[in-house]
Amino acid sequence: DAMVIQNPRYQVTQFGKPVTLSCSQTLNHNVMYWYQQKSSQAPKLLFHYYDKDFNNEADTPDNFQSRRPNTSFCFLDIRSPGLGDAAMYLCATSAGGIYEQYFGPGTRLTVT
Amino acid sequence: TQLLEQSPQFLSIQEGENLTVYCNSSSVFSSLQWYRQEPGEGPVLLVTVVTGGEVKKLKRLTFQFGDARKDSSLHITAAQPGDTGLYLCAGSNSFPNDYKLSFGAGTTVTVRA
Repeated sequence: DAMVIQNPRYQVTQFGKPVTLSCSQTLNHNVMYWYQQKSSQAPKLLFHYYDKDFNNEADTPDNFQSRRPNTSFCFLDIRSPGLGDAAMYLCATSAGGIYEQYFGPGTRLTVT
Repeated sequence: TQLLEQSPQFLSIQEGENLTVYCNSSSVFSSLQWYRQEPGEGPVLLVTVVTGGEVKKLKRLTFQFGDARKDSSLHITAAQPGDTGLYLCAGSNSFPNDYKLSFGAGTTVTVRA
């Protein structure tokens, strides 16, 4: 009963080649988040959607963009990946006003 | 952003031993969650604590929220190799951003068979 699904689980891209990561959810939650996590560190919030409202964290590089075409899907676009963007990317959801966040299994991005 | 400090950063124990992980802040949180993350996977929610002084038990895991809602602890009794993972505490920010979490840096727990 997968609730938050991320595809692909592993993505290899070349330096500077655009890449898109996808996330879908069956929980019907109105908030969706994208996090970046590097080597056993805490997840770092990049941005989130509260319904259709997009909220960017102040320190998220312009290289990172997101789209949410409907309630169920959310995409992370990295326009020109650098070596420093290699990380685990986590998608999470929550029901607005409820504290818990539910995470997907993550996409491990490698930049060559 | 409200900061959470976790200690210790690393913990390696023998199967059957007990362990405690701490999560501290100078800020008050509306709620605090604990997650466990295994290598190559996303964090999995273990528990949410909301009320100051609250204690929750989940089998061999005991979670406590401080009276002032600024700190929390996770205690594992008779640890098993399956308890190995990265333990993250996360606090809900103040309204109106209470749907955003502040994460601690995590505690890597290794339970040796």
